[in-house]
Amino acid sequence: ETGVTQTPRHLVMGMTNKKSLKCEQHLGHNAMYWYKQSAKKPLELMFVYSLEERVENNSVPSRFSPECPNSSHLFLHLHTLQPEDSALYLCASSQERGAGELFFGEGSRLTVL
Amino acid sequence: GQQVMQIPQYQHVQEGEDFTTYCNSSTTLSNIQWYKQRPGGHPVFLIQLVKSGEVKKQKRLTFQFGEAKKNSSLHITATQTTDVGTYFCAGRKAAGNKLTFGGGTRVLVKP
Repeated sequence: ETGVTQTPRHLVMGMTNKKSLKCEQHLGHNAMYWYKQSAKKPLELMFVYSLEERVENNSVPSRFSPECPNSSHLFLHLHTLQPEDSALYLCASSQERGAGELFFGEGSRLTVL
Repeated sequence: GQQVMQIPQYQHVQEGEDFTTYCNSSTTLSNIQWYKQRPGGHPVFLIQLVKSGEVKKQKRLTFQFGEAKKNSSLHITATQTTDVGTYFCAGRKAAGNKLTFGGGTRVLVKP
């Protein structure tokens, strides 16, 4: 139990589908993050939210659309993805943005056919 | 931009032996963190180093931050099968900045 819960754990989708990844943190943290982990690549930071406000978007294609309705929930909406988007998508939280350690969820393994 | 490199990329270790993995940053860091990701798992925070030359120990793991605060190392003694996984370092250039992760060292233990 990490305090950060991600659903679904596994997702297979076609290139024309629309799906969403969900993340919930039970730690009372103010910052939440989406990371992409592909084989043979470092962890790539996608989006950062601090107190529900998006503060960082690292040149992520518009087919990935984040949403943070409150400080405990984070979504990643997916549409018209490409096979190269197949990866493990990790949600993380920290007490404050840019400080302290990250608490990761167990990840959502995405396969795009 | 800031880059964090880890070597080696892979480490095959005989059970009971020691090994060291290294982390090098292209810029001076305010702090560095280490994470461990077991196969099929997610990264889990191990430790944070802040001071120049700092050394911290966790049982068989010894973490060191370089004097120039641009590099760090993780030394594991008497490796066990439970040490299998990928070890990531992550550096922060300044307080409030994002963490930049290295590519990780994947550790495989031969019994």
